[in-house]
Amino acid sequence: NAGVTQTPKFRVLKTGQSMTLLCAQDMNHEYMYWYRQDPGMGLRLIHYSVGEGTTAKGEVPDGYNVSRLKKQNFLLGLESAAPSQTSVYFCASSSGGSGANVLTFGAGSRLTVL
Amino acid sequence: DAKTTQPNSMESNEEEPVHLPCNHSTISGTDYIHWYRQLPSQGPEYVIHGLTSNVNNRMASLAIAEDRKSSTLILHRATLRDAAVYYCILRANYGGSQGNLIFGKGTKLSVKP
Repeated sequence: NAGVTQTPKFRVLKTGQSMTLLCAQDMNHEYMYWYRQDPGMGLRLIHYSVGEGTTAKGEVPDGYNVSRLKKQNFLLGLESAAPSQTSVYFCASSSGGSGANVLTFGAGSRLTVL
Repeated sequence: DAKTTQPNSMESNEEEPVHLPCNHSTISGTDYIHWYRQLPSQGPEYVIHGLTSNVNNRMASLAIAEDRKSSTLILHRATLRDAAVYYCILRANYGGSQGNLIFGKGTKLSVKP
């Protein structure tokens, strides 16, 4: 029962470096999401996908790109990391987008940008 | 987007029931009420959800007011493991962006031995 797996769990970057966070789910879910969480705050939606090959912007998309080439994977990319992107990133998936569907979250990826 | 209001923090004693309130006065007729919790240093975890009727599962109960403008998450017997931030969120019954979960700051529940 892997559920939602995020890699890497921890990463330290220097300003200007690039990196990709990988989210993989084994539940055949259509919808996938990337959130970020800053200290003492709730989660904020960065990007989401409603199916393979689709992506859409969430609440705080600037500085991030995403891709959903395979149904089970949702990648979050930082092309030029900034200290403001220091955060914990959570991936989630859902079988559908209706109110009756619930989200399953990964354990998080902690990113520090120096 | 319909918003929810929760107390910032609550305290409970171990093995006692806990009632976590949530106000959502602008809820629409098709919004589902979702509860998630986040244990320290972990990702959010689904707890329970409902539309109009009260709901029970192995983790908790959800009591929804008749006018649906408020709800209460009930933990029947709090344990130390229940110490977490609890989020009450409305999820629109549509696909796409309208169904996205918007998290607030939630209620931080502390459980005393």
